[in-house]
Amino acid sequence: DTGVSQDPRHKITKRGQNVTFRCDPISEHNRLYWYRQTLGQGPEFLTYFQNEAQLEKSRLLSDRFSAERPKGSFSTLEIQRTEQGDSAMYLCASSFSAGRNEQFFGPGTRLTVL
Amino acid sequence: AQSVTQLDSHVSVSEGTPVLLRCNYSSSYSPSLFWYVQHPNKGLQLLLKYTSAATLVKGINGFEAEFKKSETSFHLTKPSAHMSDAAEYFCVVTHNTNAGKSTFGDGTTLTVKP
Repeated sequence: DTGVSQDPRHKITKRGQNVTFRCDPISEHNRLYWYRQTLGQGPEFLTYFQNEAQLEKSRLLSDRFSAERPKGSFSTLEIQRTEQGDSAMYLCASSFSAGRNEQFFGPGTRLTVL
Repeated sequence: AQSVTQLDSHVSVSEGTPVLLRCNYSSSYSPSLFWYVQHPNKGLQLLLKYTSAATLVKGINGFEAEFKKSETSFHLTKPSAHMSDAAEYFCVVTHNTNAGKSTFGDGTTLTVKP
């Protein structure tokens, strides 16, 4: 399968713990995006990379969130000191670098913070 | 700035009848517009996209949408609903710039009754 993959698919953690998610984009795509989706709402943009450079971060992304794409391939999203409000589906997408090109989404990582 | 409003949070139709899911957008720049579908426990899948070519866009599974600049709308239609069309649908606007950041609507849940 050559689509976008995310790992893990589900994560349950206790409040205050750190969690890390991984995204593997489609190999030819140089853009990678992270979104957060809560129940009943559409995905909200968090951040995106062009190759290894993080070009934009949403104001939704607090200091507890950090994302990396060290070699311009896979990316990780880390949440430190998780809070119950962080419970959501975290989606990763990739695309070619042009606004007209659609983004291809992974299946998401569902985070539950107890 | 850009935004998307999906005018109906829920739409219910009978199998074999037409589907209309409404979307209005605002954008400071010439936008690209997309419709995605999300089936339960599945990733987001692209239905169709408008990228400043033909204003009537045909997508997968018999769906189509018409870009109307004067009305700032991009409504999704299908002549005859199928049970398998039941899902969540998202209208998305993206700047035609190097940013490529997408803004999602809150989604419309389509129910298809037998």
